[in-house]
Amino acid sequence: DQQVKQNSPSLSVQEGRISILNCDYTNSMFDYFLWYKKYPAEGPTFLISISSIKDKNEDGRFTVFLNKSAKHLSLHIVPSQPGDSAVYFCAASALPGSNYKLTFGKGTLLTVNP
Amino acid sequence: SQTIHQWPATLVQPVGSPLSLECTVEGTSNPNLYWYRQAAGRGLQLLFYSVGIGQISSEVPQNLSASRPQDRQFILSSKKLLLSDSGFYLCAWSGGRQLETQYFGPGTRLLVL
Repeated sequence: DQQVKQNSPSLSVQEGRISILNCDYTNSMFDYFLWYKKYPAEGPTFLISISSIKDKNEDGRFTVFLNKSAKHLSLHIVPSQPGDSAVYFCAASALPGSNYKLTFGKGTLLTVNP
Repeated sequence: SQTIHQWPATLVQPVGSPLSLECTVEGTSNPNLYWYRQAAGRGLQLLFYSVGIGQISSEVPQNLSASRPQDRQFILSSKKLLLSDSGFYLCAWSGGRQLETQYFGPGTRLLVL
């Protein structure tokens, strides 16, 4: 049972435009969400996170939106740059008491074209 | 600042051979430590996690084991590798004021032939 789903395996965007990456979850106990960026043959890099008490968190070009009723979150990158091309993973955690384990989606490959 | 190291970066092993992958963290104490595997075309699967020395929890029954002999050292092992053990192995840590955020090492690519 896949509790965190990233239904788009890939996304292609033009440089300077907005990239929107989506993530859905099924476990209502999840209350903390993270986005990671991963280049080939490297470890994932933490990008941004959001707690369930918020519906938006912003950090520079990256904004994460959380819709708890829909069990949906999205990552917006504005403006998109060629260096943003990577696989983006959505992850979720059920705090407290989960030992801070993360459940990951399968990832979305973002390609930003110059 | 905190850093996490993994070695080796790449490993090619024959079926039936043993395995030992090492992960160490610097710049923090008593971290939570995690081992993940990423198989081709799939997400990150949590294999083991540890909240302290000698404390190991297994998430998936498999051919692998983990140990934490020191506070900032996490080891992934196997006595006999299978072809299905091939993949990209990632170690991660969390700790301090942000236990909910995990930081990953550079990974080890394992190919079992």
